[in-house]
Amino acid sequence: DAMVIQNPRYQVTQFGKPVTLSCSQTLNHNVMYWYQQKSSQAPKLLFHYYDKDFNNEADTPDNFQSRRPNTSFCFLDIRSPGLGDAAMYLCATSQGTGGNEKLFFGSGTQLSVL
Amino acid sequence: GNSVTQMEGPVTLSEEAFLTINCTYTATGYPSLFWYVQYPGEGLQLLLKATKADDKGSNKGFEATYRKETTSFHLEKGSVQVSDSAVYFCALRFVYGGSQGNLIFGKGTKLSVKP
Repeated sequence: DAMVIQNPRYQVTQFGKPVTLSCSQTLNHNVMYWYQQKSSQAPKLLFHYYDKDFNNEADTPDNFQSRRPNTSFCFLDIRSPGLGDAAMYLCATSQGTGGNEKLFFGSGTQLSVL
Repeated sequence: GNSVTQMEGPVTLSEEAFLTINCTYTATGYPSLFWYVQYPGEGLQLLLKATKADDKGSNKGFEATYRKETTSFHLEKGSVQVSDSAVYFCALRFVYGGSQGNLIFGKGTKLSVKP
């Protein structure tokens, strides 16, 4: 009964080769988030969508883009992955962005860059 | 800036031991505070939360009290089980203001409970 689904669980790409990570949800939530979690570090918000409105964090590199074609799906595109982009990428959803909103997380995609 | 600091792990305990995982925060406003848990191979799940000073969040035997005077939100459990083995993340989030919507995490503390 997974509600936030990320595929694949593990993704390997080559240095400089574009890669797309996918996330889908069955909760019909308005908000979808992408977090980057490097080894032994805190998850860091890259951006989020409220419906179709894209909200980029100020320090998110231009190399990272996102698409949300419909309510259920959200994609993370890394245009030219570097070795420093190897990380766990977490997708999450919530109904709204209020401070008390509960976030629902997927299991994450572990990205390796060779 | 806004940040969350957790005690370094890993933490290894025997079953039925008392657990404390320290968490302190720095915030320019009045955040809500959360503990998330990540079991092996799974996504993060909300464990408990507190939305204002002196609130106590509790769930599954875990508790944490929002202490504004010490800017802390320490996680405690009186008797841990092997099934509590996981990574625990302290986090904050603002209800209002420009940072609304952004859940700011600590680095996580890995807990291993031995039988």
